Amino acid sequence: EAQVTQNPRYLITVTGKKLTVTCSQNMNHEYMSWYRQDPGLGLRQIYYSMNVEVTDKGDVPEGYKVSRKEKRNFPLILESPSPNQTSLYFCASSLQGFAYEQYFGPGTRLTVT
Amino acid sequence: SQQGEEDPQALSIQEGENATMNCSYKTSINNLQWYRQNSGRGLVHLILIRSNEREKHSGRLRVTLDTSKKSSSLLITASRAADTASYFCATDPYSGAGSYQLTFGKGTKLSVIP
Repeated sequence: EAQVTQNPRYLITVTGKKLTVTCSQNMNHEYMSWYRQDPGLGLRQIYYSMNVEVTDKGDVPEGYKVSRKEKRNFPLILESPSPNQTSLYFCASSLQGFAYEQYFGPGTRLTVT
Repeated sequence: SQQGEEDPQALSIQEGENATMNCSYKTSINNLQWYRQNSGRGLVHLILIRSNEREKHSGRLRVTLDTSKKSSSLLITASRAADTASYFCATDPYSGAGSYQLTFGKGTKLSVIP
């Protein structure tokens, strides 16, 4: 089944404790993105990647890192999480690019205390 | 940056009625897409309309695009309780150098009452 998977789905952590949210897709898509969704603010792009080893900042990259060492994986790294990073995070992938259909993962609900 | 804005923010209708949601955006675009999100879950792509198209249909969905007014509408006909969800428009601002960003609106929350 074609899908985007994220892990963990739920995470409660403390300020400053490094964490990684994994994202994997099995559709051989080149384009991948991370978004965060906050009430009243909609979805905002954090980082995107156009291919292996090609990544760039989106609208809200501060406090996040990404890497794209393999085509299928696009992990999101929070080196020192803070409470303002409490949010619902989505990974997405696309075959044709960001102007076309995006396939979203199920989301990761992160709480930083 | 917020490109698309949906209107209304929330909409409540009876099952069987039609639901219309609107999206306005600020800059020229290549494509406009509509997505559905069931509560707290991942977004699901519904339909894409290109900037040179005016109307598109998919099942019970009808999307229109007016580039002169920078607006789009999503019509769901004969709504069902299962259509209860949030609906988002997404645009990729035309830059001439390829699209690297898909910008989502804040969504319309649709409730269909059985």
